[in-house]
Amino acid sequence: NAGVMQNPRHLVRRRGQEARLRCSPMKGHSHVYWYRQLPEEGLKFMVYLQKENIIDESGMPKERFSAEFPKEGPSILRIQQVVRGDSAAYFCASSTTGTGEFQPQHFGDGTRLSIL
Amino acid sequence: KQEVTQIPAALSVPEGENLVLNCSFTDSAIYNLQWFRQDPGKGLTSLLLIQSSQREQTSGRLNASLDKSSGRSTLYIAASQPGDSATYLCAVRPNFGNEKLTFGTGTRLTIIP
Repeated sequence: NAGVMQNPRHLVRRRGQEARLRCSPMKGHSHVYWYRQLPEEGLKFMVYLQKENIIDESGMPKERFSAEFPKEGPSILRIQQVVRGDSAAYFCASSTTGTGEFQPQHFGDGTRLSIL
Repeated sequence: KQEVTQIPAALSVPEGENLVLNCSFTDSAIYNLQWFRQDPGKGLTSLLLIQSSQREQTSGRLNASLDKSSGRSTLYIAASQPGDSATYLCAVRPNFGNEKLTFGTGTRLTIIP
């Protein structure tokens, strides 16, 4: 039973380019969460999605960042016109149902984004 | 706004010792609290989850306690081993229906053989 799969594991971009991070949730999971971990900081919530819906994007920067979770395929976190401050580890998590008890979020190994 | 603090930021202990990691949170209205382990360059592995109605959870050599009224949780590791070396994170979920986890900055644990 594969866990949460994120790719690529490492991504290098130059300033001004676009970064696309992918996340395939665990089998049977329909809820996806994205978190960002800046160097020497804790994980910060970015966005919570269900299939074809954004449920909570209160942690997303207002510009350049977007996320989607289409009916088919992985969830995508897209960062346009990247800047040095976007360098971080981006983690995806998934869960079965969003509001049930004892539904821990399962995390992927993350994508390390480096901006040159 | 919920804030989660973990002290100390780093801890080194000799192998075999028992140890306690601390987590405190400012808003006691939480749904549950989760302890994670993060190895370098890796994702998070869930260790224990405590619902707000529970006082503690145990798994093997790990025991997590929760005192919601005082905004504190502890992770007790018995008979520490070098393989326990990792960063330990606690995270709180605010309430039923809200999925955002708020994380502490973690305690980096080193077990000295």
